[in-house]
Amino acid sequence: GQQLNQSPQSMFIQEGEDVSMNCTSSSIFNTWLWYKQDPGEGPVLLIALYKAGELTSNGRLTAQFGITRKDSFLNISASIPSDVGIYFCAGQSPGTNKLIFGTGTLLAVQP
Amino acid sequence: DSGVTQTPKHLITATGQRVTLRCSPRSGDLSVYWYQQSLDQGLQFLIQYYNGEERAKGNILERFSAQQFPDLHSELNLSSLELGDSALYFCASSEWASGGRGEQYFGPGTRLTVT
Repeated sequence: GQQLNQSPQSMFIQEGEDVSMNCTSSSIFNTWLWYKQDPGEGPVLLIALYKAGELTSNGRLTAQFGITRKDSFLNISASIPSDVGIYFCAGQSPGTNKLIFGTGTLLAVQP
Repeated sequence: DSGVTQTPKHLITATGQRVTLRCSPRSGDLSVYWYQQSLDQGLQFLIQYYNGEERAKGNILERFSAQQFPDLHSELNLSSLELGDSALYFCASSEWASGGRGEQYFGPGTRLTVT
């Protein structure tokens, strides 16, 4: 099945550090979504982006919709232990609502 | 809590059997999506229904089928189960079928184990 390239695959950081992750695609998307998933739970929507170049924040999280419409970035500032989990990007192609998900970034935060 | 509910939470069954997974979308959402999450394939789109009608299909096997009922809940039927069907199955819902704002809200999932 199709998956987007997401990096890094995993990150092990200290509490208080900032985190950056990104997602790239060979196809253009109209919408980029970022989700967080805890073990055994469903993905939780963090941020939605709808326009190329758009920069959107949700608390300590900031995400950007790349100008080429083929990439997106998520930054987490001043990480805390509850940020631990797997972060997924998801792209939505023009004319369809189905989501293509990234491969995920596992984030571990050491107190 | 996303507002999307799924039952059962866990399901253990044998190869060759048939199971039904159930999903109720968020209040007001007309579109329901099913996704499969496995270790080797990640999160994969299976099928979408909008207001009772099939809207889009992804990598859904012929042994799998789904439907959306007049009250908008949806069921995913998996038959002739194989060991490789073991996975987490998620339902998501959104207000629209396509276009507009594309946010999808996910349920807690059903973990299917085929033995």
